[in-house]
Amino acid sequence: EVQLVESGGGLVQPGGSLRLSCAASGFTFSSYSMNWVRQAPGKGLEWVSYISSSSSTIYYADSVKGRFTISRDNAKNSLYLQMNSLRDEDTAVYYCARVVVVPAAIPNYYYYGMDVWGQGTTVTVSS
Amino acid sequence: EIVMTQSPATLSVSPGERATLSCRASQSVSSNLAWYQQKPGQAPRLLIYGASTRATGIPARFSGSGSGTEFTLTISSLQSEDFAVYYCQQYNNWPPGFTFGPGTKVDIK
Repeated sequence: EVQLVESGGGLVQPGGSLRLSCAASGFTFSSYSMNWVRQAPGKGLEWVSYISSSSSTIYYADSVKGRFTISRDNAKNSLYLQMNSLRDEDTAVYYCARVVVVPAAIPNYYYYGMDVWGQGTTVTVSS
Repeated sequence: EIVMTQSPATLSVSPGERATLSCRASQSVSSNLAWYQQKPGQAPRLLIYGASTRATGIPARFSGSGSGTEFTLTISSLQSEDFAVYYCQQYNNWPPGFTFGPGTKVDIK
């Protein structure tokens, strides 16, 4: 069964740090790019960060740039999100998601989606 | 930065009826548009990618259309399990990243 399981969430004070993990199983993890997506309480979805299969390409949302670091260990089938300088507005459920990349009819153009999601881990930033 | 908007915010539909959800991008995203369904307490589920291609296992009653800046998700005959929040999402090459719309809640009329 294809599965993603997040862990590492919890309560942290503003300015603190937390490291989230995402364990993948049931598919060849090293072949897929991955995303972190978050959802604040009662709000919509917000993309956080992207990492390519080989870690050669990494992107961040402006809201977390300079504070969060995405990484992966393909030997351990694991994805990570190091979160530093946490703020109240970082409070959310954090999901890891597998990125599906599909070639379009246009040469060298691809469509992107997120086809497998974990159940999420909750991060609460509060004093 | 590309901004995504969705309308309506809430759509009240009776079971068996057709639902039409709209998504608009502030600039062209070609067909790089996906749709997700999210039920309370659950992770999102990919429905459509490439604006019109159904993901694996998605029933045929879900269809997507559009390109450029205007997109539509149609649910041809709403089933009880379809009442949920629906999000559109675009992928942009530059600046690189993914952007979600604010969502449309489909509830029972």
